Amino acid sequence: AQSVTQLDSQVPVFEEAPVELRCNYSSSVSVYLFWYVQYPNQGLQLLLKYLSGSTLVESINGFEAEFNKSQTSFHLRKPSVHISDTAEYFCAVSGAGSYQLTFGKGTKLSVIP
Amino acid sequence: KAGVTQTPRYLIKTRGQQVTLSCSPISGHRSVSWYQQTPGQGLQFLFEYFSETQRNKGNFPGRFSGRQFSNSRSEMNVSTLELGDSALYLCASSPLDAEEKLFFGSGTQLSVL
Repeated sequence: AQSVTQLDSQVPVFEEAPVELRCNYSSSVSVYLFWYVQYPNQGLQLLLKYLSGSTLVESINGFEAEFNKSQTSFHLRKPSVHISDTAEYFCAVSGAGSYQLTFGKGTKLSVIP
Repeated sequence: KAGVTQTPRYLIKTRGQQVTLSCSPISGHRSVSWYQQTPGQGLQFLFEYFSETQRNKGNFPGRFSGRQFSNSRSEMNVSTLELGDSALYLCASSPLDAEEKLFFGSGTQLSVL
């Protein structure tokens, strides 16, 4: 079984400032890791994923996350946020080869103009 | 391609009734998963279907059931509704060549009165 902890339920940040959304997981098996984003009144959209290989993964809109196996973390970072990044972000984990996701409780990112 | 379509978008039921929710996956996707999203419990996995067979099931009571048809469309049914079943029910589909990549619909918001 896996579990995910997102340490911050809400993160306010000024526009153009950097941000880090924290995610820790626990699992007894190899894992796949994901970040999803949910805009108001919409479903979730995959932001980025780690399956294997390079521990640093990037999305097309400037976010990146680094898989740290020793710290069991997969923190999400962006060097400069935009108003349009305001949304709820979910970290998720699945056992390698399984597609049943266990989600964290989510972090609401509010970008302040 | 059209995205994942869920119907209806909103639903109001009373305790004891039953409800059926529908999900049409992206064309060509054969895997369909269902998740329940509530403010208290967050996102929780319900079940996953592939080629009309249930591959995985989450920890929900037997009142929650689902099925998948030969065209990959899926339905989930909740019988004997309880107040705690009020939630956003999200459906997701994934392609054969990237089953870890879930595409979510906008969900069905179920309110049980």
